[in-house]
Amino acid sequence: EVQLVESGGGLVQPGGSLKLSCAASGFTFSASGMHWVRQASGKGLEWVGRIRSKPNNYATAYAASVKGRFTVSRDDSKNTAYLQMNSLKTEDTAVYYCTRVIRGVYYFDYWGQGTLVTVSS
Amino acid sequence: DIQMTQSPSSLSASVGDRVTITCRASQSISTYLNWYQQKPGKAPKLLISAASSLQSGVPSRFSGSGSGTDFTLTISSLQPEDFATYYCQQSYSTPWTFGQGTKVEIK
Repeated sequence: EVQLVESGGGLVQPGGSLKLSCAASGFTFSASGMHWVRQASGKGLEWVGRIRSKPNNYATAYAASVKGRFTVSRDDSKNTAYLQMNSLKTEDTAVYYCTRVIRGVYYFDYWGQGTLVTVSS
Repeated sequence: DIQMTQSPSSLSASVGDRVTITCRASQSISTYLNWYQQKPGKAPKLLISAASSLQSGVPSRFSGSGSGTDFTLTISSLQPEDFATYYCQQSYSTPWTFGQGTKVEIK
């Protein structure tokens, strides 16, 4: 059974940092691209960033709203993806989901349950 | 970035109604268009990929169509469990962008 479990959310002050983790199981993690999507309360879905697999050189990409502040990484030996968030702003407050894209497809077929990040003083 | 615009933003319908949600891309995206369903407090669920490919386990009352810039999600006979918010999403180019969502409510 495919599972994605996020952790690391919490309350952080503006300007602070937080690192989210996404633990994967039930599939070949090393062959999958991993993405992060966020959703502010009562709002729609916003793609945040992604990291491709090793054959794709672990290429990363980011939304303009987080570029230069957020970093997506992965540890294939631990079947875990990460989202390092720096210089956090109040507008980064949201539930953060990790999701996967398997080789050869162009959609998010499995999602984690989400972890809440609150940026507030 | 490719902008995705859904209409309507919300709708009220009754059980058994036929419901149609449209999604328009700001440029041609071929059939790189996916539909998701989200219920309150839950993660989104993939319904349809590549504009019209129904995911395994998704009821056949859901269907998708379109190509280029205009797409449609249709629910042929609305069921109580279908009341949710629906999002389209393009995967033609990075960043993969979502529509703003369509909330389907009980009439």
